[in-house]
Amino acid sequence: DVKVTQSSRYLVKRTGEKVFLECVQDMDHENMFWYRQDPGLGLRLIYFSYDVKMKEKGDIPEGYSVSREKKERFSLILESASTNQTSMYLCASSEVEEQFFGPGTRLTVL
Amino acid sequence: LAKTTQPISMDSYEGQEVNITCSHNNIATNDYITWYQQFPSQGPRFIIQGYKTKVTNEVASLFIPADRKSSTLSLPRVSLSDTAVYYCLVGDLPYYQKVTFGTGTKLQVIP
Repeated sequence: DVKVTQSSRYLVKRTGEKVFLECVQDMDHENMFWYRQDPGLGLRLIYFSYDVKMKEKGDIPEGYSVSREKKERFSLILESASTNQTSMYLCASSEVEEQFFGPGTRLTVL
Repeated sequence: LAKTTQPISMDSYEGQEVNITCSHNNIATNDYITWYQQFPSQGPRFIIQGYKTKVTNEVASLFIPADRKSSTLSLPRVSLSDTAVYYCLVGDLPYYQKVTFGTGTKLQVIP
């Protein structure tokens, strides 16, 4: 079975802190994604990557950056966390058709 | 970008067939339609995918009319465990550069 793991299920940070969310997949997938999920807004794509060191902006990249130094790992970085970045963050990986999602990280920024 | 529109919520009794429709008027030629299911505190899970006409697998059917401006996910004989949020996704493969998730339809199955 494909497995996508995220470093934390719950995370609490303070405004202005630098936050790293890590995602690891074990199926050698080319594509990896970061979404955030908010009530009433569904899933919104922040960034995706289709190869090591390659990244593309999604719908809402402002305030975020990403890093993909190894194929299996895709990191989401909040350079200076703000309260409006409190959300559920979901990582996914895919090869061609189906996206496989991790369990999510619920981030609270105080 | 192809924006999708789904009903916010639906109720159904156990054992009934449920049809959830997604509207995607601006779907592009290269776009596929994919449906995902999400339970609370979990990431979404793939259900079915199609490009045109009808696709069926062991859990659902997907109906896509000729103009592809909408699609309908059909769940046969739902059970309580089908209570979840269902998302309609429109995007081109394989890079999902223009992926768009709907806001999801919360399906409540009633005993």
